[in-house]
Amino acid sequence: SQQGEEDPQALSIQEGENATMNCSYKTSINNLQWYRQNSGRGLVHLILIRSNEREKHSGRLRVTLDTSKKSSSLLITASRAADTASYFCATGDSGGANNLFFGTGTRLTVIP
Amino acid sequence: GAGVSQSPRYKVAKRGQDVALRCDPISGHVSLFWYQQALGQGPEFLTYFQNEAQLDKSGLPSDRFFAERPEGSVSTLKIQRTQQEDSAVYLCASSNGLNNGYTFGSGTRLTVV
Repeated sequence: SQQGEEDPQALSIQEGENATMNCSYKTSINNLQWYRQNSGRGLVHLILIRSNEREKHSGRLRVTLDTSKKSSSLLITASRAADTASYFCATGDSGGANNLFFGTGTRLTVIP
Repeated sequence: GAGVSQSPRYKVAKRGQDVALRCDPISGHVSLFWYQQALGQGPEFLTYFQNEAQLDKSGLPSDRFFAERPEGSVSTLKIQRTQQEDSAVYLCASSNGLNNGYTFGSGTRLTVV
């Protein structure tokens, strides 16, 4: 079964707007990661945030993590049509296992 | 290699047929993972290798699924007596550490008819 859930399931915005996606998870984690998947392709790693970090930036991406609420958010600023994809959060649990558990994904559509 | 390579890209199998899916991870990556992704869903964990050792196979859905990585590099996921519910994209990923992201291959889309 999947560990996390993204919200919303689908998001449609105009190019240039910001997109915010949320992720909730269930168990204690070692880190949380965000991935992007274009239709019919593999997943691409975007950013990793450790459990002792609260915010991280990478280019137009900003990720926050609130371990007390077991939630994370991904903000994409100044969106582009090329950002159209599905976005997944994935958690590495704190039990030492190396495998990641993925959420159900947010389908983002950026309209040119 | 520069990335994770999976083959074949597409596989159509008749129900009851055995299939073998190959994954060539990034050279030097110790950890290798297999995931199954149904249409419109997130990837579901199948199994995990550290070098040649299969440390976790709790996600394999039945004993028809078998994975190996005999020399700690290339891995093969084998599905015996395929069923229609096995139709999915099978993703392989490799990683070189607990706090590093995964690098995924493009996947093998398996269709069982």
